[in-house]
Amino acid sequence: EVQLVESGGGLVQPGGSLRLSCAASGFTFSSSWMHWVRQAPGKGLVWVSRINTDGSNTNNADSVKGRFTISRDNAKNTLFLQMNSLRAEDTAVYYCARESATGYNDYWGQGTLVTVSS
Amino acid sequence: EIVLTQSPATLSLSPGERATLSCRASQSVSNSLAWYQQKPGQAPRLLIYDASNRATGIPARFSGSGSGTDFTLTISSLEPEDFAVYYCQQRSNWPLFTFGPGTKVDFK
Repeated sequence: EVQLVESGGGLVQPGGSLRLSCAASGFTFSSSWMHWVRQAPGKGLVWVSRINTDGSNTNNADSVKGRFTISRDNAKNTLFLQMNSLRAEDTAVYYCARESATGYNDYWGQGTLVTVSS
Repeated sequence: EIVLTQSPATLSLSPGERATLSCRASQSVSNSLAWYQQKPGQAPRLLIYDASNRATGIPARFSGSGSGTDFTLTISSLEPEDFAVYYCQQRSNWPLFTFGPGTKVDFK
């Protein structure tokens, strides 16, 4: 059974940093592109970041470019999102999601809440 | 950047009725479009990919159609568990992905 379990969310002050993790199991993690998608309270889904299988290629939404870094540890089957210079508008539930062979997000974690507030 | 718009924002229907949801892209995405369902407090679930292909385990009452800039998700006969928010997503503008704002299907 495919499982994605996010952790690392919490309350952080504006300008602060946070590192999210996503532990993967039930599939060959090292063969899958992975994504982060976020959802502000009561709002829609927003794609954040994507990483290829070996971590050599990453892409980010303009809204987080230069502040967020996606990475992975294939030996530990774990995806990361390093978030720096956090702003109030980064407050959201952050989901990790697997990219299927057809290029869409077929499995999602349960999400972890990040709240940026003083 | 490709922008997706969805209509209507809210669709009020009764169980057993047919639901027709629309997603329009600001430029052609060919057939590179997916539909997701999200219920309160849950992660999204992939329903349809490449505009018209049902994902694994998705009931046949869900169908997708369209290409280019105009797409439709149809639920042929609403079940109680289908009342949720539905999002479209494009991957044509690789490597950047975008979602539409969502359509909420609620009880009339």
